[in-house]
Amino acid sequence: QKEVEQDPGPLSVPEGAIVSLNCTYSNSAFQYFMWYRQYSRKGPELLMYTYSSGNKEDGRFTAQVDKSSKYISLFIRDSQPSDSATYLCATPISGETSGSRLTFGEGTQLTVNP
Amino acid sequence: DARVTQTPRHKVTEMGQEVTMRCQPILGHNTVFWYRQTMMQGLELLAYFRNRAPLDDSGMPKDRFSAEMPDATLATLKIQPSEPRDSAVYFCASGLFFENTVNQPQHFGDGTRLSIL
Repeated sequence: QKEVEQDPGPLSVPEGAIVSLNCTYSNSAFQYFMWYRQYSRKGPELLMYTYSSGNKEDGRFTAQVDKSSKYISLFIRDSQPSDSATYLCATPISGETSGSRLTFGEGTQLTVNP
Repeated sequence: DARVTQTPRHKVTEMGQEVTMRCQPILGHNTVFWYRQTMMQGLELLAYFRNRAPLDDSGMPKDRFSAEMPDATLATLKIQPSEPRDSAVYFCASGLFFENTVNQPQHFGDGTRLSIL
C-alpha cells in the first residue's frame, strides 16, 4: 500500500467553481502535510502546509486535515483558469519532521475552463 | 525570490553516455534532495544530503547513479552508463532543517528533463 494515495483525475471545472482535491494516507504517525502545485514543465511549488488536524486558509485556498480518517483535502474557492495545474499532496516519510524527505501522492490534474 | 537552480533544463543523449545534472540550492539551505518524476511512478526520492553529508541514497540504482555535494552551493547527480529507462524529469529541492522544530517545507527547482535514446 502506498503511503499517500491521490485520485489522479483529470478534473475539469468551470471558472468560479469550488474545487475539492483529496488524499488519503496510511501511517497515523504522519503529522505534517503539504500541498504543492505543479504547472506544466515546472517544478512543484509549495502552496500550503499544515500540522496535525484542522484547517488552514490562505486566500482562496483552504487545506484541511482529518487525522481520524487519515484524509487531507485542498479546497479552491472561485477557481480561475490560472489554477489549472497538477496538485500534489505530500507528507514527510515515516512521520519525520516537516523539513525532511517527502512522499507524494500521484497528483491530480486540474483544468479550470473559462 | 530565492530559487533552486538546476542545469541543464533539457538533456538528450544516447544510451551508454554519462549524464551529469547540477543543482544550486537556495543560499543558506542545509538540506538538498534529488527526486525523479515519471508518469508511471510519480515523484520519488532518490537521495538527500544534510550539511553536504549523504543521509539516504536508497532510492538510487547504485550501480549507475551517484550523487555528491562538492560544496554547499552545488549538488550533482550523475548517471553512468545511462539507459533509456532513466528518461524522466529529475528535480532538486532544498530546505533549511533544524532538529526538534517545525521546519519550512522544501522548495523545488524546475528540473532537468532527461531523454535517453
